[in-house]
Amino acid sequence: AQKVTQAQTEISVVEKEDVTLDCVYETRDTTYYLFWYKQPPSGELVFLIRRNSFDEQNEISGRYSWNFQKSTSSFNFTITASQVVDSAVYFCALSEASGGSEKLVFGKGTKLTVNP
Amino acid sequence: AAGVIQSPRHLIKEKRETATLKCYPIPRHDTVYWYQQGPGQDPQFLISFYEKMQSDKGSIPDRFSAQQFSDYHSELNMSSLELGDSALYFCASSPDRGRRTEAFFGQGTRLTVV
Repeated sequence: AQKVTQAQTEISVVEKEDVTLDCVYETRDTTYYLFWYKQPPSGELVFLIRRNSFDEQNEISGRYSWNFQKSTSSFNFTITASQVVDSAVYFCALSEASGGSEKLVFGKGTKLTVNP
Repeated sequence: AAGVIQSPRHLIKEKRETATLKCYPIPRHDTVYWYQQGPGQDPQFLISFYEKMQSDKGSIPDRFSAQQFSDYHSELNMSSLELGDSALYFCASSPDRGRRTEAFFGQGTRLTVV
């Protein structure tokens, strides 16, 4: 069965610090997708990234970067120069193709608090 | 751009009542997913539909049922509500069963059972 582990339950940093959120996954599929979502206090799920299992290139988007390592089954997310607005719960997720559709299996989430 | 629309945004019901949540997917999206997120929990997959047929089922209680209509909107019906059903319910939609792009989530319906 698919499983996503986010070992860090809560992280607290001071503004402008860099912070890395860890994600480790388990799957038997050779083709899968990994995701990160942000959930601010308002509750909506904000899509951040979708990564194909065949694409191990690291990705950078502004202050966000992702490190995908198949060898360690990890898909870590780094926020550079964190800001108060980054405070949210961050979920890592893995898609599971069953019944023909790609449902998501989420990790338990990491609550990030960025203090001024 | 059009997004996934969920209604209502907030709903308060009493125990043993019935609730109906609605989801209007992005136009031309053929797949709809429902997720339940309890307080402090991660979203859990409930059920999905592809082209108006149920495609997969997760940990959805028997008291819950869902369907997708001819116009592709979907409804999640919950009967005999329990306090534990209080949660944020997300609907998501995707084209081509999610194989080409990510699913797009609605803003959620917050259900409170009192």
